[in-house]
Amino acid sequence: AQSVTQLGSHVSVSEGALVLLRCNYSSSVPPYLFWYVQYPNQGLQLLLKYTSAATLVKGINGFEAEFKKSETSFHLTKPSAHMSDAAEYFCAVPSGNTPLVFGKGTRLSVIA
Amino acid sequence: DAGVIQSPRHEVTEMGQEVTLRCKPISGHDYLFWYRQTMMRGLELLIYFNNNVPIDDSGMPEDRFSAKMPNASFSTLKIQPSEPRDSAVYFCASSRRRYQETQYFGPGTRLLVL
Repeated sequence: AQSVTQLGSHVSVSEGALVLLRCNYSSSVPPYLFWYVQYPNQGLQLLLKYTSAATLVKGINGFEAEFKKSETSFHLTKPSAHMSDAAEYFCAVPSGNTPLVFGKGTRLSVIA
Repeated sequence: DAGVIQSPRHEVTEMGQEVTLRCKPISGHDYLFWYRQTMMRGLELLIYFNNNVPIDDSGMPEDRFSAKMPNASFSTLKIQPSEPRDSAVYFCASSRRRYQETQYFGPGTRLLVL
């Protein structure tokens, strides 16, 4: 069954610094990959999704992710962190009959 | 559109009591999902429906949990009897299709069982 692994349960960056959140998928090339964001006391919302149309996917709030088959990765990046980016980020992939299986999440802290 | 609506937002109850969580999906969405989020286990899919019919309930932890969708605009998740280990945030989400489609999440119900 397909799954995703998010390296680092907590990432801390300075405001203005590069954000890099890691996600690796487990097996065969998935047809779709998603990044969701969860702000405190809110539900998850879509950040971006990969559908094999392009390996570099741009999302909301300046985030983007690059699908790399050779590395089985779909890392999320943002060139310059903002205080408002502090949230929890989830990578997700379809697996068998389950439409989406989520990673454990990475909590991003942004330091002023 | 108002988005996915969940009620109540917070629920505190005592062990052994019945708890009912409610969800109104986005109009026109054919799929409805119930998730549970805890620190230990992360985000788990409990059950999902297609056109009001349960498709996969393999994530429902035990018989104390039940879910229904009597019509396209309403679903409930019931826990009877509740236990302290059921304390979690429960999310409802909906989407137009099963795969590839974005799932839209509600704000969640934070449940505390004492």
